[in-house]
Formats: sequence, structure tokens, C-alpha cells
Amino acid sequence: DAGITQSPRYKITETGRQVTLMCHQTWSHSYMFWYRQDLGHGLRLIYYSAAADITDKGEVPDGYVVSRSKTENFPLTLESATRSQTSVYFCASKAGEAFFGQGTRLTVV
Amino acid sequence: QKEVEQDPGPLSVPEGAIVSLNCTYSNSAFQYFMWYRQYSRKGPELLMYTYSSGNKEDGRFTAQVDKSSKYISLFIRDSQPSDSATYLCASHSNSGYALNFGKGTSLLVTP
Repeated sequence: DAGITQSPRYKITETGRQVTLMCHQTWSHSYMFWYRQDLGHGLRLIYYSAAADITDKGEVPDGYVVSRSKTENFPLTLESATRSQTSVYFCASKAGEAFFGQGTRLTVV
Repeated sequence: QKEVEQDPGPLSVPEGAIVSLNCTYSNSAFQYFMWYRQYSRKGPELLMYTYSSGNKEDGRFTAQVDKSSKYISLFIRDSQPSDSATYLCASHSNSGYALNFGKGTSLLVTP
């Protein structure tokens, strides 16, 4: 199916653990993004990428790492999860218009 | 302060009403403007995509951009209960491609 897929949809992890959220798009869009959505803050940009091997920090990058070895994949890693990283994470890809995945609901306990 | 500001609501209207959703932005370089609809526990879904100033209509939805006042609007005619969702405005410049979002307005259309 064409589109953008995030996995897992739900994740519970413990403080201090490393966790990776996956994002895959089938359109070969150059641009990809990771946002987090929290009540009272809306969507905030974590990291973005203009192409394979090109990434840059967004508004709230601390505690996160990204990579983009292939155009279609853009994983987001929380190196040592903290409770403040409990959130809903959205991946998006963009040519002209931006399209979002269904989100990953992450809980850090 | 966010570059795109949006009243979070909630906004409650009766079915059939005309809904007006609004955002303001601060960056004069913004040229591309979008409205997304987000249902509970779902990802944002693109509704309207416009470039520079002017109006764009798609069915019951009209997007309006006034660059002189840095004002973005979305009008929904003949609102339906299925329009109940959070509406997010977003924008970016020619050189920047990351979307800057407002916090979203929660809309409830009651039967």
C-alpha cells in the first residue's frame, strides 16, 4: 500500500531504555520529518531530513537521534528514554504537500 | 512565541452552521499555507494547501490567506457532525520546508 507507515503504533518502555520508532514511506519523497504532539504544545518538530544522509535539528531535538541511510526510511531513536518523552510521535513526508503517518503513542514509565 | 498562533477553542456549533477557524503568523517569509484535520487518535490529514495570498475552495471548505495582515482562515459551510475534529494550520517559507504548526482548534459540531 502506498503511503507512510509508522511502527509500532503503541509502545511502553522504561526510563533509561533505548527505543527506536520506525517510519517508512513509499512515495520516495525527499523530505521527511519527526514531530511530537503534546497537550498544550501542539505539534513540535524534533528532526527533519532533506534527503538520504542529510538531517537537521528541529525545535526539540534533545534526547533524540535520527538517521536516513535510505530515502524511504527515517527512524527516530530515543537514546535513554525519560518520562518527559511520553508523547505521540508523528512521522511525515513531503514533496509539495506533507503527509503524516498514524502516529506512535509512546509511554515511558 | 510560536511562529503560528491558533486559538485552541474548543469551538462548539450546531449542525449546518458556518464555521470560521483562524490563525495568525509572524514570519513574513511564509508563502505556503496548509490546513490539516485530525480526528482523535489519528494522524493529521491534509485538507487544504495554498500558496501566497488569496482564496481556495474545495467543496464545503474555503481557505483564505491575507498576507498583509498575516492571517489564515478556514471556513466550513453546512457543518456536519463528522467535521468534529481538531483543525491545525501550518505554514512554511520558500527556503524552509519544515512545517510550522499552530496548536490546533478543537471543533465540535452538534446534531
